[in-house]
Amino acid sequence: DTGVSQDPRHKITKRGQNVTFRCDPISEHNRLYWYRQTLGQGPEFLTYFQNEAQLEKSRLLSDRFSAERPKGSFSTLEIQRTEQGDSAMYLCASSSSTSGFTDTQYFGPGTRLTVL
Amino acid sequence: QQQVKQSPQSLIVQKGGISIINCAYENTAFDYFPWYQQFPGKGPALLIAIRPDVSEKKEGRFTISFNKSAKQFSLHIMDSQPGDSATYFCAAYTTFGNEKLTFGTGTRLTIIP
Repeated sequence: DTGVSQDPRHKITKRGQNVTFRCDPISEHNRLYWYRQTLGQGPEFLTYFQNEAQLEKSRLLSDRFSAERPKGSFSTLEIQRTEQGDSAMYLCASSSSTSGFTDTQYFGPGTRLTVL
Repeated sequence: QQQVKQSPQSLIVQKGGISIINCAYENTAFDYFPWYQQFPGKGPALLIAIRPDVSEKKEGRFTISFNKSAKQFSLHIMDSQPGDSATYFCAAYTTFGNEKLTFGTGTRLTIIP
């Protein structure tokens, strides 16, 4: 396992459709984060998991967004009823957290979503 | 609320020169400051990071300078090369807690021959 992987790398969808993205973190990492990055901006935090528990969600994460990490390994991010404003790069990152200390986050290559 | 401010937005440096990117933060709870390098179509890659208990960290051609009292930190790239052309993001977070990275707005660096 050489790093964080994401699938698909690119997704084009029509407005109103649902999409799901997958993230596979570095195997020994217990924390998994989702970020969104729009063109010319830095990544913005969406949500994160410690093992299978979702511990925080950003206000950016509307009720059309849902994320899961069912077995504490891979994670999925689903967007329902996509809107053109959802077009962005969705980034996944993972890190190791022990005894309350969180180590550096390592990012995957991202999934580029285009909503037509 | 933007908690990490980054400048300049874009930077052009001649090959062999020094590239300098600056960041300032507001949240005094931040205690870990990484820099990420991002190429077009790729995810951010960790470049170098510093904790506020040191004023400088150097790794190869990359150096972070940190000024805790001013709440500022900067990235210096020595002997800049065309392969360094990328977007650079400073970031900050709190290592004890639930913390997510807060990113700066990015600096597009172009190294010209």
